[in-house]
Amino acid sequence: KAGVTQTPRYLIKTRGQQVTLSCSPISGHRSVSWYQQTPGQGLQFLFEYFSETQRNKGNFPGRFSGRQFSNSRSEMNVSTLELGDSALYLCASSGLSGANVLTFGAGSRLTVL
Amino acid sequence: AQSVTQLGSHVSVSEGALVLLRCNYSSSVPPYLFWYVQYPNQGLQLLLKYTTGATLVKGINGFEAEFKKSETSFHLTKPSAHMSDAAEYFCAVSATHNTDKLIFGTGTRLQVFP
Repeated sequence: KAGVTQTPRYLIKTRGQQVTLSCSPISGHRSVSWYQQTPGQGLQFLFEYFSETQRNKGNFPGRFSGRQFSNSRSEMNVSTLELGDSALYLCASSGLSGANVLTFGAGSRLTVL
Repeated sequence: AQSVTQLGSHVSVSEGALVLLRCNYSSSVPPYLFWYVQYPNQGLQLLLKYTTGATLVKGINGFEAEFKKSETSFHLTKPSAHMSDAAEYFCAVSATHNTDKLIFGTGTRLQVFP
């Protein structure tokens, strides 16, 4: 079956702009979580959604937001981009929320100039 | 609160040598522990996980890890390294048992020399 699909894979934005990243989970998976990966901070948890409800949120400013649709697809949005938002954004899905095996997508690499 | 410490940001071994990647954790609840691998320009792939039961966990590609509660460790080993094992490895602990929120270590980059 198809894996976790993230789009776009690469994008370049300038400071002050906003960006929307998309994640399509594995068919049948209802839990989607997002992580930010940077060389300096490593992998940090952003949010977790289950059945369209945000179950957890990491320690990020309000400029970072997300949502999940009824088909389990998820989007995350970053507004008023800063240079420090440059990162690989990884989406993962699992069949049930709760320490299950996370299947990660290849990520969306955001560069902010 | 949960945390993970990976000792050694870089580990180099010769092909055929033992691979040992160290991970220590801190958890206020019985931990669920994971090892993930990341190849260049790819997402993370699960190698193995420990939740309950047998403390020696076998994963994919010949890797295994042993949960040692007394040492709060979950070190990853492979008896014989292969060139294709070169990648970055992340140890992670589940924040709680009813969430997919993982706390990751800072990663260990494994180099394998011929």
